[in-house]
Order: sequence, then C-alpha cells, then structure tokens
Amino acid sequence: GAVVSQHPSWVICKSGTSVKIECRSLDFQATTMFWYRQFPKQSLMLMATSNEGSKATYEQGVEKDKFLINHASLTLSTLTVTSAHPEDSSFYICSGKQGISHNEQFFGPGTRLTVL
Amino acid sequence: QKEVEQNSGPLSVPEGAIASLNCTYSDRGSQSFFWYRQYSGKSPELIMFIYSNGDKEDGRFTAQLNKASQYVSLLIRDSQPSDSATYLCAVNRNGQNFVFGPGTRLSVLP
Repeated sequence: GAVVSQHPSWVICKSGTSVKIECRSLDFQATTMFWYRQFPKQSLMLMATSNEGSKATYEQGVEKDKFLINHASLTLSTLTVTSAHPEDSSFYICSGKQGISHNEQFFGPGTRLTVL
Repeated sequence: QKEVEQNSGPLSVPEGAIASLNCTYSDRGSQSFFWYRQYSGKSPELIMFIYSNGDKEDGRFTAQLNKASQYVSLLIRDSQPSDSATYLCAVNRNGQNFVFGPGTRLSVLP
C-alpha cells in the first residue's frame, strides 16, 4: 500500500500555543487528504477533508479558525491547532487518497498531542 | 440512526477459530466498503475493500457484502493472537466522504 508520514509523532505543548502537524504522502499523489481526531477508546472522528489547492471542508462542530488546514501540494497537508487547550489533547491522524474514484485511503502513523 | 454501526465488543474467540465481524450502514447510495485494523495507540491499516455484492477473499480474510441488506462483514479464519485489535468498518459514497463505524474490539485467546 501507499505510505503516508506524519510529523511530529508526538508533541507536548503549553496551553495557548499553536502546534503544526505535517502529513506527507511519500509515494503517491494525494489529491484528497483527510484529518481525523481520536480520543482514547473512541472511534475516528473526521475533522475535515481537503483537496489540493482548495479550501478544506470541515465537519460540523469543527472550528475552522481553530484547526487550520493547508493542502498546498499533492504530497503535503498541514494541520495547525491554534491556541491549543487541554481539551484538544488527542490522537490526530491524517490520511491520503489518490484520485477521485472509490480508492481506499491510506493513514499516517498519527500524532499524539498533549496540551498542558 | 448512526450511519455505520458495529458491535463494540469485545468479541472473544479462541486461537484457530473463525472470527466474524459485522457492520451495517444506512446510506443505500454507498458504493465502496473498507475494513481497517487498528492496534491500540496506532493508526488504522487497511485490510481489504469490497465494491460488489458477494465474497472477496484475501489470505485468511474474507469480506462479504450484501447491498440489499446494507450489510458488510469480515471473516478471519485461523484467528491468531496477533489479530487482536479493533476492526473498523468504513463506508464511502462518492469517493470523498468516508464514514467510519465505532469499531469492534477483537480478542483472540491463546
């Protein structure tokens, strides 16, 4: 399968600071990238969908001004958690999908964010 | 009604047995169906996908799809302790919007 990387794999920050998470598709061009959040013992929750060169589409209840998503190229998307608070502590996972058909999506290894 | 439903488990099976994981979905327009495995603390990894009614086999795994019943299942033959994980069912309608179920936790007992 295709490979997606994320950086950093874990981050600890102080409340009020901003954190940027990078998601890269290493061996394919991801026309669409997804950002998920997963709290302990819960399922994946889709936060937003981004298509290269377009503004991200956010799911209901996800603040677009707090979770800034940029998908500037076919291999890189970034998620910036602005003014992070302890309730934003979670496991953030990105995935990439090639093409516009029903292709499967490939997940990055995830980023564990802890906000103190 | 949730869009994709799965029994949360845990589903416990003895080593060597067949594990059967079930998933139902509400959107009749769904066109592609995926099974992912997620180990604790890790991100999901794709096991297999199925688009057409019937069975699709890949090694010890068989996915079964019944669009009329809006039901998709995953069978794991000769279950191993290393198969112990949470299995996520995902449904896709138009290539863009994926919806994941809550996952079923499988425990294979040695």
